Amino acid sequence: DGGITQSPKYLFRKEGQNVTLSCEQNLNHDAMYWYRQDPGQGLRLIYYSQIVNDFQKGDIAEGYSVSREKKESFPLTVTSAQKNPTAFYLCASSIGGQKGQETQYFGPGTRLLVL
Amino acid sequence: GDSVTQMEGPVTLSEEAFLTINCTYTATGYPSLFWYVQYPGEGLQLLLKATKADDKGSNKGFEATYRKETTSFHLEKGSVQVSDSAVYFCALGQTSGTYKYIFGTGTRLKVLA
Repeated sequence: DGGITQSPKYLFRKEGQNVTLSCEQNLNHDAMYWYRQDPGQGLRLIYYSQIVNDFQKGDIAEGYSVSREKKESFPLTVTSAQKNPTAFYLCASSIGGQKGQETQYFGPGTRLLVL
Repeated sequence: GDSVTQMEGPVTLSEEAFLTINCTYTATGYPSLFWYVQYPGEGLQLLLKATKADDKGSNKGFEATYRKETTSFHLEKGSVQVSDSAVYFCALGQTSGTYKYIFGTGTRLKVLA
């Protein structure tokens, strides 16, 4: 079955710790995205990548970092500089090339909690 | 900048009632418009989309028409079911510039049997 997987489902972060959220897709999509979801605020774009080895900051990139070394993988690191990381994180992918018109396919999400 | 505004929820309806969830947008150029649905604890799924003015997207009894003159993309369903209970997100895709997707804040729908 093709799709997007995110792991872990729940993640706990201690103060001052960096944590990495995994996102893998087997849809052969070029474009991948990370969103943060907070109650009452909808989805906000953190980073996106339209092709391997390239990525751009979204609207709330401060305190986060990403890499895109493989087409199928787009891990997100939440650094200690992110002071309010508690949220639901969603990864998505789209086919790429149909700019702004593509259906995004979402993973099941990772819930990050601070201890 | 570009933005999407959705009606605030929650919206509570009885089964078989008519549903409207309002969505308006501001954008430069000619964006594509989407409705996504999120069930509890899950990611979002595409419900329908429209890529140009006057297009109507439809799926599973839901419909929305891209109205450029009123910058709207309201979601409608003639007869809701309990299984339609979820959070609905309106979104736009920029077709120029940064090509980002911008989401509304979501509207929670609860359907009572």
